[in-house]
Amino acid sequence: DVKVTQSSRYLVKRTGEKVFLECVQDMDHENMFWYRQDPGLGLRLIYFSYDVKMKEKGDIPEGYSVSREKKERFSLILESASTNQTSMYLCASSLSVDGNTEAFFGQGTRLTVV
Amino acid sequence: QKEVEQNSGPLSVPEGAIASLNCTYSDRGSQSFFWYRQYSGKSPELIMSIYSNGDKEDGRFTAQLNKASQYVSLLIRDSQPSDSATYLCAVRRGYQKVTFGTGTKLQVIP
Repeated sequence: DVKVTQSSRYLVKRTGEKVFLECVQDMDHENMFWYRQDPGLGLRLIYFSYDVKMKEKGDIPEGYSVSREKKERFSLILESASTNQTSMYLCASSLSVDGNTEAFFGQGTRLTVV
Repeated sequence: QKEVEQNSGPLSVPEGAIASLNCTYSDRGSQSFFWYRQYSGKSPELIMSIYSNGDKEDGRFTAQLNKASQYVSLLIRDSQPSDSATYLCAVRRGYQKVTFGTGTKLQVIP
């Protein structure tokens, strides 16, 4: 079974802190994604990566950056956390470079910025 | 106009009935279409994918795609209480970029 693991289930951080969310997948998938999910707004794509050291902006990249130094690991960085970044963050990975295979999601990290 | 639109529901159906979930999308160049199910407090999981016009059946689930009308739907036959969840429509547009709708909450009443 594909496993996508996010480092934390719950996080509480202070405004202005630098926050790292880690995601690891164990199936050698090329593509990895970071989404945030908010009530009424659904899942919104922050960043994605289709190869090591490659990254592409999603729909809401402002205030975030990403790092993919190894194929299995994709990190989301909040440079200076703000209260409007309080959300559920979901990492996903998929195999095919043409996008025609499913994305597998991690269990999610619920981040609260106070 | 939102890129992927779904009625938020809740859609309530009695056990054993057919549940019909609908999704429209704005980008005519969209190429791949997915339905995910998300139970409360859990992550989304894929239940169907469809890439060409017409119907695709998998067990109790049927996905329908009409690219001319920019419409994709999911039918759930013989609905069960365990089908109660939020159903997310997702559309791949461009290279790798998958956009999700806000989801439709389905309630199956025993």
